[in-house]
Amino acid sequence: EAGVTQFPSHSVIEKGQTVTLRCDPISGHDNLYWYRRVMGKEIKFLLHFVKESKQDESGMPNNRFLAERTGGTYSTLKVQPAELEDSGVYFCASSHGTGGDTGELFFGEGSRLTVL
Amino acid sequence: GENVEQHPSTLSVQEGDSAVIKCTYSDSASNYFPWYKQELGKRPQLIIDIRSNVGEKKDQRIAVTLNKTAKHFSLHITETQPEDSAVYFCAASIPGAGSYQLTFGKGTKLSVIP
Repeated sequence: EAGVTQFPSHSVIEKGQTVTLRCDPISGHDNLYWYRRVMGKEIKFLLHFVKESKQDESGMPNNRFLAERTGGTYSTLKVQPAELEDSGVYFCASSHGTGGDTGELFFGEGSRLTVL
Repeated sequence: GENVEQHPSTLSVQEGDSAVIKCTYSDSASNYFPWYKQELGKRPQLIIDIRSNVGEKKDQRIAVTLNKTAKHFSLHITETQPEDSAVYFCAASIPGAGSYQLTFGKGTKLSVIP
């Protein structure tokens, strides 16, 4: 079974440019999460999809970040325009948990974003 | 919201010794506490987890303990091996309202010296 896949693995852009990160969750996982780790800090929650619906986007830093999950399959996270502080590793995770049970999160390998 | 503190940030042990990583959390409603291991350049992977109705859980050389009164939980690795070298993250989760987000600690970089 394929795991969570993310693309690109590394992106280097200049301040003001746009980047779109993609995540393909494990097939059949309704829950999809985006997390971000800035250098040396904790992995921070950004948002949570249940199928195509945004369940919780309380962690999104500001309106320069836009996440979508059309059709409830893969998800994209767009940063526009990118700022220096957006640099970090963006992790996607998926889970099969439902109801009140937090299912195991399966992480992708992350997309490293470097904003110059 | 939930806040998770993790200590130490770095830990070096000799091969064969034990390693202990400690985390505290702030929200008493948290009821799920997973530990993730991230090897260099690889994805974080769940190695063990514990729920609030259990005080201790063991899986071969790793164990996790939970003290709900004190709001802290710890990861114990015995007979450490070089392949245990990685960054370990603790996390806590508060159930409810359809959101199952994890709040992570800052990570502990464990180095096992052969």
